[in-house]
Parts: sequence; structure tokens; C-alpha cells
Amino acid sequence: NAGVTQTPKFRVLKTGQSMTLLCAQDMNHEYMYWYRQDPGMGLRLIHYSVGEGTTAKGEVPDGYNVSRLKKQNFLLGLESAAPSQTSVYFCASSSLPVRSTDTQYFGPGTRLTVL
Amino acid sequence: AQSVTQPDIHITVSEGASLELRCNYSYGATPYLFWYVQSPGQGLQLLLKYFSGDTLVQGIKGFEAEFKRSQSSFNLRKPSVHWSDAAEYFCAVGAQNNDMRFGAGTRLTVKP
Repeated sequence: NAGVTQTPKFRVLKTGQSMTLLCAQDMNHEYMYWYRQDPGMGLRLIHYSVGEGTTAKGEVPDGYNVSRLKKQNFLLGLESAAPSQTSVYFCASSSLPVRSTDTQYFGPGTRLTVL
Repeated sequence: AQSVTQPDIHITVSEGASLELRCNYSYGATPYLFWYVQSPGQGLQLLLKYFSGDTLVQGIKGFEAEFKRSQSSFNLRKPSVHWSDAAEYFCAVGAQNNDMRFGAGTRLTVKP
């Protein structure tokens, strides 16, 4: 039981390049989330999904797209990377919504640098 | 709008001393409140959560937190800190639309 895994762990991009971050969970969770963490700002929600085939915007969605084609995977895409997207990205999953008795489980993070 | 404030960016305590980390929230409805811990280079781990009932909640690793509605606070406490508690601590409120709002975090240093 691996929990929540993220691929890759590190990545350096040049401005304008594109990439996809993969999040996978083996807990059969319905809900999945992508956050970014910047110094002094805590985590901020980018996008989330309430089930296979669904996606929704969070607090800071601009510049990102997501897809949830399979229940266990949640992909975060950057179509044209910008230096402002340099951050640490965390994926999380849960079986119930945020406002419930359930717990979010976090992956180890992906450190992305955009030059 | 929902928000969380952690007034202390960095706290240093001696090993064996007591600890209190402050958290204030702003949310119109009944808050779902969480404390997470993040060790360097790691993801977040849930310490404890509050959603109803007893306002003093117990968590893992000997931590507890007290919900005070009148003060809009959810402070984290531990009676005796261990060196392994050195980490960054985040308070969060579960808001509508599955939005989890996090505070900026408090970094804890433990002196020998």
C-alpha cells in the first residue's frame, strides 16, 4: 500500500515549456487535490476532483489544467511554464469531502523550478 | 472569506519544555479545523482535527488542540517537546467547495 505517490520528484523547466505532473493513489479515494506551496504562504488549492471524470477549480487555477481519466490518477499540466510557477506541488486524496470527518492524505511533493 | 492566520513564523523551545502554537481562523459557518505537520522534504501529516463535540481534541504524537469559538482560535499544544518534533506546523480550515485554507505555517526549532 503506497498511499499517494507523485512523479517526478524534481523538475527544471525553461519558460514556455510544458509538462505534466502525475499523482497516483491506491486507496480507492474519490477526492483528489493539487496544491502548491510557496515560502511564507502555506498551501493553496489549484484544482480538485470529486470523482473520475470530474475536475473543479480551486483558489489559484490560472496557468494549470487537470484531468482525472482514471479514479486512481490525477494529472496536473502546465501548458506554458512561467517563473511564477516555481513551487513545490503536493497532491492529496481523501474518501470524503474536506468538510467531513475524513482525512486528506498527502504525497511527498514535486519540486518544480522554472527558469 | 475563509482564512487562517498563524501569528508566529518561527518558534524555538527547549527540549522538554511545553509548546503552544497559535492559530486564528475566519469562517462564517461551523469550522472544520486541522493541524498538520511537515518534516523537511516531506508531505503533510495530519496531527488532529476538530469538527464538532468536545472542544479539546487529542491527536497523534502527544499533541492536543483546543477550539475556542469566542476567540476564533484553535491552538496546538504539547506538554513536553521532543527533538523529533522540530518541523513546520500548519493550521487549516476546511471550507466550502472542498477548499482547504492553510495558514502560512510555524517553524518549530527544538534546542537540546
